[in-house]
Amino acid sequence: GDSVTQMEGPVTLSEEAFLTINCTYTATGYPSLFWYVQYPGEGLQLLLKATKADDKGSNKGFEATYRKETTSFHLEKGSVQVSDSAVYFCASSRAGNQFYFGTGTSLTVIP
Amino acid sequence: EAQVTQNPRYLITVTGKKLTVTCSQNMNHEYMSWYRQDPGLGLRQIYYSMNVEVTDKGDVPEGYKVSRKEKRNFPLILESPSPNQTSLYFCASSFSGAYGYTFGSGTRLTVV
Repeated sequence: GDSVTQMEGPVTLSEEAFLTINCTYTATGYPSLFWYVQYPGEGLQLLLKATKADDKGSNKGFEATYRKETTSFHLEKGSVQVSDSAVYFCASSRAGNQFYFGTGTSLTVIP
Repeated sequence: EAQVTQNPRYLITVTGKKLTVTCSQNMNHEYMSWYRQDPGLGLRQIYYSMNVEVTDKGDVPEGYKVSRKEKRNFPLILESPSPNQTSLYFCASSFSGAYGYTFGSGTRLTVV
């Protein structure tokens, strides 16, 4: 069945460091791919998405490219801020209704 | 403001006492879904609905019921809660799943 695997955390970075959180997916066909962010005590917020191969999703300085050949959707940001501290979830959706989430990666950015 | 509203935010109950967590969205979305979030397991889908009176099981439906009598509401019902249903629950809605879901703020349920 479909699944999403993302790198385990926690990840701790200094402010202005480069961030990569790896995500790979398993699916029959070509799912839509998403990154969600969860700040402490809040629900999940859609950060970015890509619906087909080679699409690049971007938002708030974060980027991820849909790589069909490596079945990956890695999240990157060139310079993280303390306010980026949160848990990040990668997700896939093939049928549009059933979502498959990774286990989440906790990011802490220190000043 | 476009949002998904869940109630209550926090709930402590005893084993076997029926409870309902309400979920309402004001975006006229067709799709709605319930998830539970547990440490180390991420989010797992409990039930989803594509339209009024259309519901289907997700990955972990055992012990839960849902109904979709109106487009805006999608309550989650635990007929006989057990301690292994202690979790953080999220309701979500979407115009189309391919565009991603809007999540509620969550309901933290503790069953003792």
